[in-house]
Amino acid sequence: AQKVTQAQTEISVVEKEDVTLDCVYETRDTTYYLFWYKQPPSGELVFLIRRNSFDEQNEISGRYSWNFQKSTSSFNFTITASQVVDSAVYFCALILSMEYGNKLVFGAGTILRVKS
Amino acid sequence: NAGVTQTPKFQVLKTGQSMTLQCAQDMNHEYMSWYRQDPGMGLRLIHYSVGAGITDQGEVPNGYNVSRSTTEDFPLRLLSAAPSQTSVYFCASSPGFHTEAFFGQGTRLTVV
Repeated sequence: AQKVTQAQTEISVVEKEDVTLDCVYETRDTTYYLFWYKQPPSGELVFLIRRNSFDEQNEISGRYSWNFQKSTSSFNFTITASQVVDSAVYFCALILSMEYGNKLVFGAGTILRVKS
Repeated sequence: NAGVTQTPKFQVLKTGQSMTLQCAQDMNHEYMSWYRQDPGMGLRLIHYSVGAGITDQGEVPNGYNVSRSTTEDFPLRLLSAAPSQTSVYFCASSPGFHTEAFFGQGTRLTVV
């Protein structure tokens, strides 16, 4: 069965610190898709990134970067020079290629608090 | 462009009452889903649809029904509300296979 684990329940940092959110996944499939979503205090879910299992290149988007390592089944998310606006719940999620219906399997989420 | 619209945003029900959570999307997406979000558990899939007339159960379907008569609409029905259904409900749509989901604003439901 597939599973996504976000072991960090809550992280607190001071503004301008770098922070890494961990995501470990389990699946026996060789083809799958990984996602990160952000849920700010207003409650909506915002898509951040999608990565397929064949693309292990790290990705950088502004202050955000993602490190995908198949060898350790991890897809970690780093925010550089964090800002108060980064305070949110962050979810890592997985879709299996053979699964019908785009069914997202979510981790429990990590609450990030950035203090000024 | 409205995206995914859920109504209502808040609802309080008494145990045993029934109600329908509405979800509509204007992006012509084939894939639609309902999730519930509970503290410490992330989001869990209730039901999903891959097109008009086609629905199936997700991880936690008990106590809920869905139908998909049009591409745009995907209502979620609570048959007989129970306190265990107190949660935040999210509707989502996706443009294609394995693509990112677009979520509605959520419905916070309390069953007393």
